[in-house]
Amino acid sequence: EVQLVQSGGGLVQPGGSLRLSCAAFGFTFGNSWMGWVRQTPGKGPEWVANIDADGGQTYYVDSVKGRFTISRDNAERSLSLQMSRLRVEDTATYYCATKGGSFWGQGTLVTVSS
Amino acid sequence: DVVMTQSPLSLSVTLGQPASISCRSSQSLIYSDGNTYLNWFQQRPGQSPRRLIYKISDRDSGVPDRFSGSGSGTDFTLKISRVEAEDVGIYYCMQHTHWPTTFGPGTTVDIK
Repeated sequence: EVQLVQSGGGLVQPGGSLRLSCAAFGFTFGNSWMGWVRQTPGKGPEWVANIDADGGQTYYVDSVKGRFTISRDNAERSLSLQMSRLRVEDTATYYCATKGGSFWGQGTLVTVSS
Repeated sequence: DVVMTQSPLSLSVTLGQPASISCRSSQSLIYSDGNTYLNWFQQRPGQSPRRLIYKISDRDSGVPDRFSGSGSGTDFTLKISRVEAEDVGIYYCMQHTHWPTTFGPGTTVDIK
């Protein structure tokens, strides 16, 4: 059974940092592009970052470029999102997902507030 | 960025009746490999999105055959042949032909 199990998240002050993690089970992680998606209540999801299968290429939406870093460890079957210089508008539920959205994690809430 | 629009934004359907959701993209979603990367998702309250349809019309494993997708280029449709109570939720179209991947605003389906 495919599972993406997320950890991390929580409350952080504006300008602070936070790291999200995602552990993958039940599929060939090392062959799969992965991404992070966020969603605020009442809005459609926003895909914020992608990483290719070997971690050599990363892609970011403009609003997080230079502040967020997506990375992966294929040996550990894990995906990460390092978020820095966080803004109030980064508040959202964050999901890890396979490219194309075939599988999703359970989501984790990130709240940026003073 | 590719802008995805959906209509209607809300839909109230009688059980057993059909439903249809339209999705349009601001530019063609045909990729250089010939595929069109247009997917449909269902999101129930408090849950992660679930993919129903990929590449316009391919149904994901375990998705009931009352769900079908069609379309081409910039115009796409999700149809539910006979709505059941478990189909209540928000439906999103999403394109990943172009980066960044973008979603429509969502269509809320409820039971009349």
